[in-house]
Amino acid sequence: KQEVTQIPAALSVPEGENLVLNCSFTDSAIYNLQWFRQDPGKGLTSLLLIQSSQREQTSGRLNASLDKSSGRSTLYIAASQPGDSATYLCAVGGTYKYIFGTGTRLKVLA
Amino acid sequence: DTGVSQNPRHKITKRGQNVTFRCDPISEHNRLYWYRQTLGQGPEFLTYFQNEAQLEKSRLLSDRFSAERPKGSFSTLEIQRTEQGDSAMYLCASNHRGGTDTQYFGPGTRLTVL
Repeated sequence: KQEVTQIPAALSVPEGENLVLNCSFTDSAIYNLQWFRQDPGKGLTSLLLIQSSQREQTSGRLNASLDKSSGRSTLYIAASQPGDSATYLCAVGGTYKYIFGTGTRLKVLA
Repeated sequence: DTGVSQNPRHKITKRGQNVTFRCDPISEHNRLYWYRQTLGQGPEFLTYFQNEAQLEKSRLLSDRFSAERPKGSFSTLEIQRTEQGDSAMYLCASNHRGGTDTQYFGPGTRLTVL
């Protein structure tokens, strides 16, 4: 059974810092891995999708990496801003459904 | 195309009542998913449809829950005889088989059972 863990559970950083969020999963037979952002009381916004054959994806200040053999993914956020404050969720995909981690709550202080 | 929409956004009901939620996926998407998210947790898969066919149901989906997608377009999720433990955010997502596999999520329906 696939289990997804995200560390840390919460993170508070000053504006401008670079930071790394971690995601680990127990079964390396995945189809893809996706990072989402969730603002309080809202739905999920897709940030980056990495297919199982890929090693990383980049979008603006965000970079996500995937190491299937070790069951790990990282989300790197460069030059963090207060607007980045949200919960970041990692989701591991099979052929259809996602298994989500419990998220990292990020607060970027101005 | 305005994305995935869900209605209502909020629902407060008394224990024992029935509730129904609606999801309208992105128009060309043939796959539709329901997830449930409780406070402080990640979303958990409930069920998914390809066109009008319901292809998998999670064990989380007790016999009080039923989902339909009658014409392969919008979907409804009904909860009968609601319990306080049903209080959660119910999220709908859609994508197109053969596409990028990104699931596009709606804003969710927050259910509170008193």
